[in-house]
Amino acid sequence: EVQLVESGGGLVQPGRSLRLSCAASGFTFDDYAMHWVRQAPGKGLEWVSGISWNSGSIGYADSVKGRFTISRDNAKNSLYLQMNSLRAEDTALYYCAKDIGPYYYGSGSCLDYWGQGTLVTVSS
Amino acid sequence: QAVLTQPASLSASPGASASLTCTLRSGINVGTYRIYWYQQKPGSPPQYLLRYKSDSDKQQGSGVPSRFSGSKDASANAGILLISGLQSEDEADYYCMIWHSSASVYVFGTGTKVTVL
Repeated sequence: EVQLVESGGGLVQPGRSLRLSCAASGFTFDDYAMHWVRQAPGKGLEWVSGISWNSGSIGYADSVKGRFTISRDNAKNSLYLQMNSLRAEDTALYYCAKDIGPYYYGSGSCLDYWGQGTLVTVSS
Repeated sequence: QAVLTQPASLSASPGASASLTCTLRSGINVGTYRIYWYQQKPGSPPQYLLRYKSDSDKQQGSGVPSRFSGSKDASANAGILLISGLQSEDEADYYCMIWHSSASVYVFGTGTKVTVL
């Protein structure tokens, strides 16, 4: 059974940093691309970032480019999101999601399993 | 204008069919895109339902009932999620998604809240 467990969320002041983690199990982690998707309270879904199986390809939404960094450790079956210069508009539930294939991009990619999410609140 | 626009809400009776639309912004041709559909129930993460590009290029998510199906309306430049035989458990928010190749990002639709009366 695919399991994705996010952690690292919390309350943080504007301008500060936070690092999210996602522990994966139930599948061969290094065969698949991974993603972060967020959902602001009461709002819709927003794709944040994706990373291919070997970290060779990475992408970001314009809203986080230059501030957030996605990474993975295949030896630890873990995905990370380093979030710097946080803003109030980054407040959201952050989901870790598995791709159906090895590359995060392209029309053949798709997010097929999602974790329960970790809440990030940016406020002074 | 949003890249993918969905009606905010839709209500239907149990047993009826519901057609959810996902309209692509002008200049983005629905015919060239695979459209993905997700269901999100309150307090839960989204669940992958299906993918549809054409009748020869489609995929049902694992364990997803066949009463969920996809199609397109080229004249409206829209993807469609059809839910047949609505059940109370189908009450949820539904999102469409595409890989927006020209921007190299995934884009989600604005979401439709389905109520089963």
